[in-house]
Amino acid sequence: EDQVTQSPEALRLQEGESSSLNCSYTVSGLRGLFWYRQDPGKGPEFLFTLYSAGEEKEKERLKATLTKKESFLHITAPKPEDSATYLCAVQARGSQGNLIFGKGTKLSVKP
Amino acid sequence: DADVTQTPRNRITKTGKRIMLECSQTKGHDRMYWYRQDPGLGLRLIYYSFDVKDINKGEISDGYSVSRQAQAKFSLSLESAIPNQTALYFCATRGTSEYNEQFFGPGTRLTVL
Repeated sequence: EDQVTQSPEALRLQEGESSSLNCSYTVSGLRGLFWYRQDPGKGPEFLFTLYSAGEEKEKERLKATLTKKESFLHITAPKPEDSATYLCAVQARGSQGNLIFGKGTKLSVKP
Repeated sequence: DADVTQTPRNRITKTGKRIMLECSQTKGHDRMYWYRQDPGLGLRLIYYSFDVKDINKGEISDGYSVSRQAQAKFSLSLESAIPNQTALYFCATRGTSEYNEQFFGPGTRLTVL
């Protein structure tokens, strides 16, 4: 069964304290791994797509990496405005483009 | 203007009432989706549509129905609402390329009393 597990469920950081969020997956043929950011009461906002092991993508203080079993979202020197829930989703082979979402990691960055 | 809009944004209703949630998009995408989000359960797919004549059940379709009135419009109905359908509901769209990401609307917060 295709599955996505995110850890930790919640992460509290001080401003400037770098860390990583994990997304582990088991799918029958990965077609793409997606990271989204979700602010309270709002819809998920697309951040990155990763397609193959070894791929990396960056956006401001965020960097996403991918291996054959997991993806990491590295946050360098976070700011309070980076506080949000980060969602990971995978697209499996034969899924018609449908996504399987993890439950998310809620990140809080304190000034 | 937002690319994906949802109405209403908030709705409180009573058990047994029929309710419709609407989604419109200006992205020109063929594929549209309805999800619900519950605390601790993440996003779960209810229904999806690849074009006007295509409707597919997702993971949790029981108790819901949908209508794709046009390429740009996709509605979700609860024929007889029950309290455990209280949740955040999101509409999303996607282009037809194999690797396209999904774009989400702002959500509808539904409370069933």
